[in-house]
Amino acid sequence: SQQGEEDPQALSIQEGENATMNCSYKTSINNLQWYRQNSGRGLVHLILIRSNEREKHSGRLRVTLDTSKKSSSLLITASRAADTASYFCAPFNYGQNFVFGPGTRLSVLP
Amino acid sequence: EAQVTQNPRYLITVTGKKLTVTCSQNMNHEYMSWYRQDPGLGLRQIYYSMNVEVTDKGDVPEGYKVSRKEKRNFPLILESPSPNQTSLYFCASSLAAGGYDTQYFGPGTRLTVL
Repeated sequence: SQQGEEDPQALSIQEGENATMNCSYKTSINNLQWYRQNSGRGLVHLILIRSNEREKHSGRLRVTLDTSKKSSSLLITASRAADTASYFCAPFNYGQNFVFGPGTRLSVLP
Repeated sequence: EAQVTQNPRYLITVTGKKLTVTCSQNMNHEYMSWYRQDPGLGLRQIYYSMNVEVTDKGDVPEGYKVSRKEKRNFPLILESPSPNQTSLYFCASSLAAGGYDTQYFGPGTRLTVL
């Protein structure tokens, strides 16, 4: 199993600012997913990016993937208080167990 | 509404008293799995199932059992719970195996073993 490592562990920003969190992994992947978890609740899928893709957008979310650096980033633009949550990446290689990293805790202050 | 349901949502029990946490999905998904989430450790997979009657161990299977007799249900069984199994548990399902596809998570079951 391969676990991604999110960075930073915690991030506090003001409403309206952009938030960037990063994910690093160790071996080659087929895809990488990002999930969000509001406090104590189930995870919600945000984006899946495949190894042959470099960037993907979904609303205010932008995910990039750099397979040469074995890293991904999640950018949330114009953040809102409702974006306060933990964000997890999950790099995946076929045939391996699906493993989540420890997450980045994002706090968006009003 | 497409969803994964878990019951109970909260459970306090004592060491050694067998318990079952149910999980059900209404999306006709092939793949289901159980995770536990502990502070500082993120989510760790306990067991997963590729299809009916097919189950396999995840990263932390000790002390747990599962069964998949029907496609929609995937109960988690703790035959003799111990305090180190106090945790937040999530069931998840997806069309294809875990990393191939979007996983849909249940709301979680917070278990305390005294």
